[in-house]
Amino acid sequence: NAGVTQTPKFRVLKTGQSMTLLCAQDMNHEYMYWYRQDPGMGLRLIHYSVGEGTTAKGEVPDGYNVSRLKKQNFLLGLESAAPSQTSVYFCASSYSTSGGNKVWQETQYFGPGTRLLVL
Amino acid sequence: GENVEQHPSTLSVQEGDSAVIKCTYSDSASNYFPWYKQELGKGPQLIIDIRSNVGEKKDQRIAVTLNKTAKHFSLHITETQPEDSAVYFCAASLGGYQKVTFGTGTKLQVIP
Repeated sequence: NAGVTQTPKFRVLKTGQSMTLLCAQDMNHEYMYWYRQDPGMGLRLIHYSVGEGTTAKGEVPDGYNVSRLKKQNFLLGLESAAPSQTSVYFCASSYSTSGGNKVWQETQYFGPGTRLLVL
Repeated sequence: GENVEQHPSTLSVQEGDSAVIKCTYSDSASNYFPWYKQELGKGPQLIIDIRSNVGEKKDQRIAVTLNKTAKHFSLHITETQPEDSAVYFCAASLGGYQKVTFGTGTKLQVIP
């Protein structure tokens, strides 16, 4: 199993350009997430998906769009890149289990990250 | 929404000493508390987690404690080694597909 993979590893964009980041997982996980990581800010959730064909906004969704056409893939799009979007982007996937009348969140598995520089 | 605070932001310890990182959360309904270790240039990796139905969990040199009343949980690393040097994140989740809210991270440096 490759786990969670991200493409590309590094990219430089000019302001106004567009690009798509690809996340793929081979663990048959239902849930997928996109985070951005900035110094001193920890990991902030951009968008997430609870299943194929569904997406939802996280805490910092502005300027990004996502799609989950296939269960194993989660795409993050930047329509018009801005310098404020310079960051390291991480994708993650997870699943949940049930027990004791509760639904438990299971481990999130992270990809290796995509470093994006917007000039 | 959930808010997770993490302290300290940086921590230096001598090799062999213990390290403690503390987190507080705001939503009393949170029931899952993972801890992640992130090495330079890599994605975060789970090192230990705890659910709300237990108060403590241990895995070799790593332990996590949870105080639901105080909405507080901590990571304890004993007999620290240089390879423990990394950034550690705590997190809290309401369970199911609910998003996980991360703390801002603690940079741990173990001095040989």
